[in-house]
Amino acid sequence: GQQLNQSPQSMFIQEGEDVSMNCTSSSIFNTWLWYKQDPGEGPVLLIALYKAGELTSNGRLTAQFGITRKDSFLNISASIPSDVGIYFCAGLKGAMLTFGGGTRLMVKP
Amino acid sequence: NAGVTQTPKFQVLKTGQSMTLQCAQDMNHNSMYWYRQDPGMGLRLIYYSASEGTTDKGEVPNGYNVSRLNKREFSLRLESAAPSQTSVYFCASTQDHSYNEQFFGPGTRLTVL
Repeated sequence: GQQLNQSPQSMFIQEGEDVSMNCTSSSIFNTWLWYKQDPGEGPVLLIALYKAGELTSNGRLTAQFGITRKDSFLNISASIPSDVGIYFCAGLKGAMLTFGGGTRLMVKP
Repeated sequence: NAGVTQTPKFQVLKTGQSMTLQCAQDMNHNSMYWYRQDPGMGLRLIYYSASEGTTDKGEVPNGYNVSRLNKREFSLRLESAAPSQTSVYFCASTQDHSYNEQFFGPGTRLTVL
């Protein structure tokens, strides 16, 4: 099946620091999505990207859809303790979402 | 609105036992999905139903069956559970299968001994 390589697998940062994570794929996707999952809950959509090169922000979050349509990154600025969780990238093609392995973010107050 | 609900929250089975995971959504969505989540592997699609009356295989369908009972409900059945099916199972729904935002349920944690 299709593979999305997400990195880093985990990050432990100080509150206030900026965070960057990315996703690469061997396949082209029509839409890139970034989700956050809190412990014991399902993923929640953070940002959706629809066009190659698109840069979209949602508060302290910024994500970009790579020009080749095979990659995407997510930045979080000025991290806060509630940013803790697992962040997933996902590529949409047709009816199917393919997820990356996740980046576990830990924030030290 | 409750969104997407799943039952049960937790389940322990013995190898060979069968069970059905239930999912319901109250958002009048057309498309529904079943995923499994294993450590370090993100979520993988088991089956999906693009619209009422249709179901299709996803990435990892072996060992599972699904039923789209009506527009609201989409169940996942394990006929003969195996330890490899120990996982967290998530149901999701979206307005249309080509629409981006899938809304996820809280998950069912299944252990097969």
